[in-house]
Amino acid sequence: DAKTTQPNSMESNEEEPVHLPCNHSTISGTDYIHWYRQLPSQGPEYVIHGLTSNVNNRMASLAIAEDRKSSTLILHRATLRDAAVYYCILSNFGNEKLTFGTGTRLTIIP
Amino acid sequence: DAGVTQSPTHLIKTRGQQVTLRCSPKSGHDTVSWYQQALGQGPQFIFQYYEEEERQRGNFPDRFSGHQFPNYSSELNVNALLLGDSALYLCASSFRPTNYGYTFGSGTRLTVV
Repeated sequence: DAKTTQPNSMESNEEEPVHLPCNHSTISGTDYIHWYRQLPSQGPEYVIHGLTSNVNNRMASLAIAEDRKSSTLILHRATLRDAAVYYCILSNFGNEKLTFGTGTRLTIIP
Repeated sequence: DAGVTQSPTHLIKTRGQQVTLRCSPKSGHDTVSWYQQALGQGPQFIFQYYEEEERQRGNFPDRFSGHQFPNYSSELNVNALLLGDSALYLCASSFRPTNYGYTFGSGTRLTVV
């Protein structure tokens, strides 16, 4: 499985945008980029996924570098509820398991 | 709309015992995956069930086994429990095997003493 690298932790102020980086230099052409987050005492929650183009949904935006070796999850206006561990995961179509790393622990400062 | 339901929420077992954990998938979902999450780590894939068969398996010993029922619910069985099996066990469901959009339950916290 291709590996991802994320910072261990990040802090952001409430109501400001947050950019969570992820490096995946060994990504293959058919690997999808997924983001999940895990709030305290809960299971992971799907956030967004993409292949090549930038993606937007009601929760976040995913910006994918042109060479696909890195991506950024963007939370447009952080709230206290966004405090969680964010996981960046690569997954190939036909291999449906998700390989989680240790993720980025995001702290939101009121 | 109920999401993924797991039972029990907490469980304490003695080393060497056997345990069964249960999962009901989200309504409309027919595929169930199980993950083990040790403290401070990301979840690790155990196996996936679809059409009552194990489709894919992670790097876990045969002590870990599972089952899927015709109503799509699933069980995870762990035999000969070790102290290292203490973890949060998560169930995730989806419509058909897929690689995006899984819905996870809140997990079962297993403690082996």
